[in-house]
Amino acid sequence: DSGVTQTPKHLITATGQRVTLRCSPRSGDLSVYWYQQSLDQGLQFLIQYYNGEERAKGNILERFSAQQFPDLHSELNLSSLELGDSALYFCASSVGTSGRRVGNEQFFGPGTRLTVL
Amino acid sequence: AQRVTQPEKLLSVFKGAPVELKCNYSYSGSPELFWYVQYSRQRLQLLLRHISRESIKGFTADLNKGETSFHLKKPFAQEEDSAMYYCALSGRGSTLGRLYFGRGTQLTVWP
Repeated sequence: DSGVTQTPKHLITATGQRVTLRCSPRSGDLSVYWYQQSLDQGLQFLIQYYNGEERAKGNILERFSAQQFPDLHSELNLSSLELGDSALYFCASSVGTSGRRVGNEQFFGPGTRLTVL
Repeated sequence: AQRVTQPEKLLSVFKGAPVELKCNYSYSGSPELFWYVQYSRQRLQLLLRHISRESIKGFTADLNKGETSFHLKKPFAQEEDSAMYYCALSGRGSTLGRLYFGRGTQLTVWP
């Protein structure tokens, strides 16, 4: 599959735990974005990486962190989990945002559904 | 602050009827607007972007800067158009790239 892939598909864990969500971008894409989709907040931008460096931060909690590795895959780490963190977490990738005036099309992964019990 | 509003959570039409999904935005500058679609059990995918000014699957959307709207229209809806539709905005400068999404409109097209 040459599209964006995310693992795992589903994750069930308990409050207070820590989990790691993984994303592999499309081949050649340098930018990775993380979004959270919940019933009460809708689709919210969390964080963006470009070629290994953090580029922009959105509504990301301090308990959450992310990184992009040299092979361009990205991981989103969620710690001290709370019930309210239950959501669908999407990763998207695009070619890049290196100063271009026009935004790039973002390609989305299938998402990881996190359930915190 | 950037904001995208989709006033209708649910929209139902019969096959062959025209459909319009509303989207309004607020942004202090010249944003780029998109429509994304999510079919049942599939991932979010780009349907339209305003700079392309193209028609995809019979859908069109015109950016109206005066009314700050980017409504999605199709003259004759088909059953396969049933899906969740999200309007999204991408800003410029430091916010370039990130997408701000509306809450989405679930379109159902009845046979």
